[in-house]
Amino acid sequence: EAQVTQNPRYLITVTGKKLTVTCSQNMNHEYMSWYRQDPGLGLRQIYYSMNVEVTDKGDVPEGYKVSRKEKRNFPLILESPSPNQTSLYFCASTPSFVAGPRRTDTQYFGPGTRLTVL
Amino acid sequence: DQQVKQNSPSLSVQEGRISILNCDYTNSMFDYFLWYKKYPAEGPTFLISISSIKDKNEDGRFTVFLNKSAKHLSLHIVPSQPGDSAVYFCAASVDGTSYGKLTFGQGTILTVHP
Repeated sequence: EAQVTQNPRYLITVTGKKLTVTCSQNMNHEYMSWYRQDPGLGLRQIYYSMNVEVTDKGDVPEGYKVSRKEKRNFPLILESPSPNQTSLYFCASTPSFVAGPRRTDTQYFGPGTRLTVL
Repeated sequence: DQQVKQNSPSLSVQEGRISILNCDYTNSMFDYFLWYKKYPAEGPTFLISISSIKDKNEDGRFTVFLNKSAKHLSLHIVPSQPGDSAVYFCAASVDGTSYGKLTFGQGTILTVHP
């Protein structure tokens, strides 16, 4: 089954304790992204990756790191989490655009990771 | 500064009627727009998109309209069904794709009553 998986799905941690949220896709997509969803602010992009070893900042990259060493994985790293990073996080992957009657570059989102930083 | 805005936090409509969700943007460089639907406890799913070279795109019950001069787009759902109840996000990009830098609105909660 084609899917984007995230782990863990729920995490409660304390300020300053480094954590990693993993994201993996089995669709051989080139492109991957991380978002956070907060009430009243919608979805905001943290980082995106166009290919292995190619990453770029989204709108809210401060306090986050990412890496793309393999095509299928795109982990999100919080080196020193703070309470303002309490949020719902989504990973997404996207195939290359192929012209045709229907665009193919639509994003597939993971189920989300709810993070609480105390 | 919110470059993509959905000014209506919620919308309630009767089953069978039309739902109109609105989205405004400020960046004139946006050239590709998308709508996503999100159910609770799930990730967003792609619904429909439109390029800035068009002013309308239709897919079944869903139609997106783009008014570039007003920097406004809208999603029409006709007829609305109870299963359409979800949060709807509009999004925009400046590079004609959905896989680079993407800016989302705050979302609108749609409730369709039977």
